Amino acid sequence: LAKTTQPISMDSYEGQEVNITCSHNNIATNDYITWYQQFPSQGPRFIIQGYKTKVTNEVASLFIPADRKSSTLSLPRVSLSDTAVYYCLVGDSWRDDKIIFGKGTRLHILP
Amino acid sequence: SQTIHQWPATLVQPVGSPLSLECTVEGTSNPNLYWYRQAAGRGLQLLFYSVGIGQISSEVPQNLSASRPQDRQFILSSKKLLLSDSGFYLCAWSSTGRSAVSYNEQFFGPGTRLTVL
Repeated sequence: LAKTTQPISMDSYEGQEVNITCSHNNIATNDYITWYQQFPSQGPRFIIQGYKTKVTNEVASLFIPADRKSSTLSLPRVSLSDTAVYYCLVGDSWRDDKIIFGKGTRLHILP
Repeated sequence: SQTIHQWPATLVQPVGSPLSLECTVEGTSNPNLYWYRQAAGRGLQLLFYSVGIGQISSEVPQNLSASRPQDRQFILSSKKLLLSDSGFYLCAWSSTGRSAVSYNEQFFGPGTRLTVL
């Protein structure tokens, strides 16, 4: 499984766009990039997944450069309720049945 | 729709006592099942995962064990709890339907907060 590196914590203000970057230099050809969000005392929940270029859904956008060695989760116009831990995962569930969560990025939104 | 249940929600146990946490999934068949532990302020640690009844893979050697007696039931146990077993225990499931390229989303239960005193 490819190792990921992301900032331990970030602060931002309500209404701003937040970008969280994840490095995954050893990503394999079949690996997908997935982001999860975890609120305190809850289990993580899936936000977005992508393989290359750009993916957008109602919650976030995911930007993946051509070399796929990094990815950026973009949260538009954050609110206080976006305060959470965000995990970047890279893997191929057809090679491994398990998912390895790192420490994630603790995002703190300020009023 | 699929749902995942965990109980109890909170548990306070003395050191040396046994443990049994249960997780059940509804609305899907033959899911992959997972047990994670999260210590306070830390990331998620994968403890066990199962791809089928009676098939358990252990990720971390410890005094915990897991069993899958039925397709959609996953149990985490211990014969004697340690202080270091305190934490937030999460059960999760994912589909085993596999396409050529995809990464199965994991769905997490509400968790059990275990405090060992």
